[in-house]
Amino acid sequence: DGGITQSPKYLFRKEGQNVTLSCEQNLNHDAMYWYRQDPGQGLRLIYYSQIVNDFQKGDIAEGYSVSREKKESFPLTVTSAQKNPTAFYLCASSPVGETQYFGPGTRLLVL
Amino acid sequence: SQKIEQNSEALNIQEGKTATLTCNYTNYSPAYLQWYRQDPGRGPVFLLLIRENEKEKRKERLKVTFDTTLKQSLFHITASQPADSATYLCALGRGNTDKLIFGTGTRLQVFP
Repeated sequence: DGGITQSPKYLFRKEGQNVTLSCEQNLNHDAMYWYRQDPGQGLRLIYYSQIVNDFQKGDIAEGYSVSREKKESFPLTVTSAQKNPTAFYLCASSPVGETQYFGPGTRLLVL
Repeated sequence: SQKIEQNSEALNIQEGKTATLTCNYTNYSPAYLQWYRQDPGRGPVFLLLIRENEKEKRKERLKVTFDTTLKQSLFHITASQPADSATYLCALGRGNTDKLIFGTGTRLQVFP
């Protein structure tokens, strides 16, 4: 069953804590993306990767970090430097260019 | 900077009518435009892609138009159903990059 998965569905972060959101795909896509979605705003690009071991900052990369050690995996770490992390986080993948396939999302809440 | 505008107000229509959603953009020259559907608490799902040299694209009850002179795309759902109720996002892209720029989305509510 092909697709893109994200875990956990809900994640709680304490002040000063780093948390990592998981994103896995078995679609054999080269490119992967992380977006943040806030109420009333569109999807904002955090980081993206077009190939293993390479990634680029998106529009709102500050306070976040990523790695791309495997084609299938693109985890996102929300660091303590991100002062307003509460949001819905979406991971997507695509064959290079065009249509993106999204995961179910992770909702991050701050305790 | 580039800007994409979708009607932030919800569109409420009666079942059976045609829903028309608008996507306008400025300061951008896309190679293609996409429409996605997003249900509450879920990830967007791709619906249609239309390229800059195409005027219209259809898929079942869906129709998309793309006017690069007006910098506008219209998304139509004919014979709308309550199950079509969702938020619809437009996204612009260029051929030389994988990044998409998303609009804020328009929420469609179809009433029986």
